[in-house]
Order: sequence, then structure tokens, then C-alpha cells
Amino acid sequence: GAGVSQSPRYKVAKRGQDVALRCDPISGHVSLFWYQQALGQGPEFLTYFQNEAQLDKSGLPSDRFFAERPEGSVSTLKIQRTQQEDSAVYLCASSFAVRTEAFFGQGTRLTVV
Amino acid sequence: GNSVTQMEGPVTLSEEAFLTINCTYTATGYPSLFWYVQYPGEGLQLLLKATKADDKGSNKGFEATYRKETTSFHLEKGSVQVSDSAVYFCAPPGGGADGLTFGKGTHLIIQP
Repeated sequence: GAGVSQSPRYKVAKRGQDVALRCDPISGHVSLFWYQQALGQGPEFLTYFQNEAQLDKSGLPSDRFFAERPEGSVSTLKIQRTQQEDSAVYLCASSFAVRTEAFFGQGTRLTVV
Repeated sequence: GNSVTQMEGPVTLSEEAFLTINCTYTATGYPSLFWYVQYPGEGLQLLLKATKADDKGSNKGFEATYRKETTSFHLEKGSVQVSDSAVYFCAPPGGGADGLTFGKGTHLIIQP
């Protein structure tokens, strides 16, 4: 596609509910990143894929967070048993190679009530 | 890992004023450096980049020079416009396997 696409744009979840956030990267981009951006803060790294391999998940805040990219293209970030502190904008970015510019999606704003 | 220190805002300027947003970083090796911008209600966009020491990145009237000796990548613009109001992020690589490290960002407000 022309850019990085994320869906849904907005998600309201009741506390304890599971959610799945989708990211469609730019075609041909090897690297894919997930970030979490709290209100008024900069994006915080969550996890990184190179093709289908998850090379770094050190930023995932708890074992309730899980990400996958099974065919090296579309990625899903899953949050189990959502908590209020999970409320944030979740950003996906892709890049052609490491250490090159990253292209960001519009993000998914998750609100846990 | 790598880190970035960026001046905190909000920074409020009048239209046509000169802008400097300071950014210093720590990094392993000599990475590419980036400035991203986030306009209200929009996602992050790459504003400019520099790929090696002494490189100057420029776009939309903004400039930043990669200073290896001072590990800085300050953002400048000679005459800001109201439409430049946004949050600006300095981003060296380092956020996990060559991802990007972001500071808190600098919220820039330009008044007419």
C-alpha cells in the first residue's frame, strides 16, 4: 500500500477484555516496529520484527502483551485482560532496512474503561 | 542503549520568529539521525534526516546539522509560521534492534 495502515483507529475496551490491533506495513518493508504513546509523551518502543522474526520484545510492558507477524507482512499486537494503564495510542512503523527512516501509521487510540 | 535529550516545551513563539529546538544524544557508533513531527490529530512524519557526521538535513525551511563532536542535532528554522505548530521529536536509532529512540517531544506553538 501507499503507507502504513492501522486498524481500528479507535478502540474502547472494558477492563479485562482482550483486544487485537492490526498493522499493514508498506509493501516490501522488512522492519516493523510497535510503539506505545501515552498522552503528552513520546513514543515508547514495544517490539521489533525483521520479516517474521521478532528480534526484540524488550519493551513489552507485561506478559499480557503479545505481537506477531507470521508471514512477514501484516502484524497484530494483542493485549490480554486490558487494564486502564494500557490506554494509549499504539503506533506501528515500518522501514525498508534497519537504521533507515521509519514510516508511521496513524495509530490506534485504545481507551480502557 | 542509545538515548536522547530534547528541550522540553511548550515553546511559544510569534510568527516569523527564529526557532531552535535543542537535541543531544548518546549513541553507539555513528547512526543516522532523524527529526519527526506530529501535527495535531495526525501520525508521526519524518521531517528531515542526516546520515553521517557534518551532514545537514533540511525540509520545509527546517534544518539540522549532525554534529558528532557535540553529539547534537539541533533543529532550526529562520522564520516560523502558524502552520508549524506541532510536536517535534528528535530520534536517533537505539530503540530496540536499531529502532528509534524518542524523547518526550517539544510542543511548538506559533502565535499569529
